[in-house]
Amino acid sequence: DARVTQTPRHKVTEMGQEVTMRCQPILGHNTVFWYRQTMMQGLELLAYFRNRAPLDDSGMPKDRFSAEMPDATLATLKIQPSEPRDSAVYFCASGPQGNNQPQHFGDGTRLSIL
Amino acid sequence: GENVEQHPSTLSVQEGDSAVIKCTYSDSASNYFPWYKQELGKRPQLIIDIRSNVGEKKDQRIAVTLNKTAKHFSLHITETQPEDSAVYFCAARPLSGGYNKLIFGAGTRLAVHP
Repeated sequence: DARVTQTPRHKVTEMGQEVTMRCQPILGHNTVFWYRQTMMQGLELLAYFRNRAPLDDSGMPKDRFSAEMPDATLATLKIQPSEPRDSAVYFCASGPQGNNQPQHFGDGTRLSIL
Repeated sequence: GENVEQHPSTLSVQEGDSAVIKCTYSDSASNYFPWYKQELGKRPQLIIDIRSNVGEKKDQRIAVTLNKTAKHFSLHITETQPEDSAVYFCAARPLSGGYNKLIFGAGTRLAVHP
């Protein structure tokens, strides 16, 4: 059963530190999505890629967040410097080529900024 | 842009009863509507999806209906069981705005009481 793999599963760090979250999409999937989930905001789309090219990162705070896809097997989401309000669960999802294909989520990274 | 509203935000039913969750969308060109189930502390998992050329789809105890004219779609769970307790998210894929991008509803917390 192919799955999206995210690391780390949990991260606790102090305010001001850099945080890097990693995602390995399902092999063969060419779209990758980053979501943030908090109790108040539900599932919030931060950025997404198609064939490793960023298509939309309008949901992401540009001054501190950055998303990249250095190769087809790795997507990264970085926060620098981190702030307590960034505490949330960050999910990565991937989808296959073709219209109207379902997205499959990873287990998420639970981030706590102290 | 697309906006998805989901109701109710919480739903409590007795085991064996049916549960219905409703979503409305604003972009009449949206053409793909998945439903995700998220258990506490877990990732959202796709449970059923429907495309705009279909009015209804069933998979065992769950079914989804789509009314394109009214721009709403619903999730129906029959013979509910305690393991159905979770947060359910609906989503819509607008035709414009990006490749396979999904807009999610705010979620419905379903509690099934034995």
